[in-house]
Amino acid sequence: AQSVAQPEDQVNVAEGNPLTVKCTYSVSGNPYLFWYVQYPNRGLQFLLKYITGDNLVKGSYGFEAEFNKSQTSFHLKKPSALVSDSALYFCAVRDDWEGKSTFGDGTTLTVKP
Amino acid sequence: KAGVTQTPRYLIKTRGQQVTLSCSPISGHRSVSWYQQTPGQGLQFLFEYFSETQRNKGNFPGRFSGRQFSNSRSEMNVSTLELGDSALYLCASSPTLSETQYFGPGTRLLVL
Repeated sequence: AQSVAQPEDQVNVAEGNPLTVKCTYSVSGNPYLFWYVQYPNRGLQFLLKYITGDNLVKGSYGFEAEFNKSQTSFHLKKPSALVSDSALYFCAVRDDWEGKSTFGDGTTLTVKP
Repeated sequence: KAGVTQTPRYLIKTRGQQVTLSCSPISGHRSVSWYQQTPGQGLQFLFEYFSETQRNKGNFPGRFSGRQFSNSRSEMNVSTLELGDSALYLCASSPTLSETQYFGPGTRLLVL
């Protein structure tokens, strides 16, 4: 069975500082990994994905994520946080054959001016 | 392309009633998934359809059911509503089972 863990319920950073939102995963086959962001009263918006290839994946709004196979991690990063980045972030793993995405519990990111 | 649309956006029902939610995927997408989101339980997978066939099902009681039509539109039905069914129900579509899912805005269901 596949699983995703987001160990931090909340991450607080100051505007302009780098941010990291952590995610670890467990999957039997090849991992398809995703990050989504959710703003209040909205659906989830796709940020970026890792399927294969470079371990550093670049996505929307200046976000990037680093895939680490040995640590089974897929941490979301941004070099310089904006107040508008404040939202709920979800990491997800998707089976490469059967589908069925599994989402982490989400991490609330708060960026303070 | 138009995004995923869900109707209705808001719904108020009473215990014991049933409800049907609708999802129209992005044009060309053949996979539709449904999720329940609550503050306490996070994002819980309900089921996934691909080409009118249910491919995966989450751990929800039989009161929760769904279907997909030949045009890939999907509906989910909840019968005998309970207070605990109050949640945001999200639909997501993708071209195939393994590709990126794109989410609709959700239907917020309140059960009184």
